[in-house]
Amino acid sequence: AQSVTQLDSHVSVSEGTPVLLRCNYSSSYSPSLFWYVQHPNKGLQLLLKYTSAATLVKGINGFEAEFKKSETSFHLTKPSAHMSDAAEYFCVLQTGANNLFFGTGTRLTVIP
Amino acid sequence: GAGVSQSPRYKVAKRGQDVALRCDPISGHVSLFWYQQALGQGPEFLTYFQNEAQLDKSGLPSDRFFAERPEGSVSTLKIQRTQQEDSAVYLCASSPPTLDHSGRPQHFGDGTRLSIL
Repeated sequence: AQSVTQLDSHVSVSEGTPVLLRCNYSSSYSPSLFWYVQHPNKGLQLLLKYTSAATLVKGINGFEAEFKKSETSFHLTKPSAHMSDAAEYFCVLQTGANNLFFGTGTRLTVIP
Repeated sequence: GAGVSQSPRYKVAKRGQDVALRCDPISGHVSLFWYQQALGQGPEFLTYFQNEAQLDKSGLPSDRFFAERPEGSVSTLKIQRTQQEDSAVYLCASSPPTLDHSGRPQHFGDGTRLSIL
């Protein structure tokens, strides 16, 4: 069975401190994994993707994620949070040509 | 270039009315996807087109939901006899052709927020 679990529904950090958004996955196949960000009343924007190349993936806006097969995890990190990072973040698993499985999302709040 | 465009951005309808939601994908993108996003949830897959062919409609929740893409570009999602539980944001996404489907990111529109009264 394919699934994605985002371990925190809400994360709050102070501006300038590190961000960690956690994601675990379950897949019978070699997964493709993505992180998307959604700002209020907007569509989803791709942050980064993992497709069985390098396990440490760098994305836009200073975000990166590390694929750990032994832990079935794909956590998203950023060294220093900005106010503009406040949004909803989705971890997404792709299997096959067209099936995307979304996590339930993590809302990131950045405190000034 | 232009991204995925959806219209209308907001739609309010009375229960029982029919609605039609439009999606203009990125030019040249052969694959088109529709998702339903309930409040506070992640998007859930509805249906998928490759060009004009609807290859997967397993996510459509009932036969009141119908999608088409007759010329392989613009797509319309139609909901007949709307119910309150149809209230959600409907997202459209497109992706370009690739030799390998793995890791093919989708480009999303801003969605249509549908409210059924």
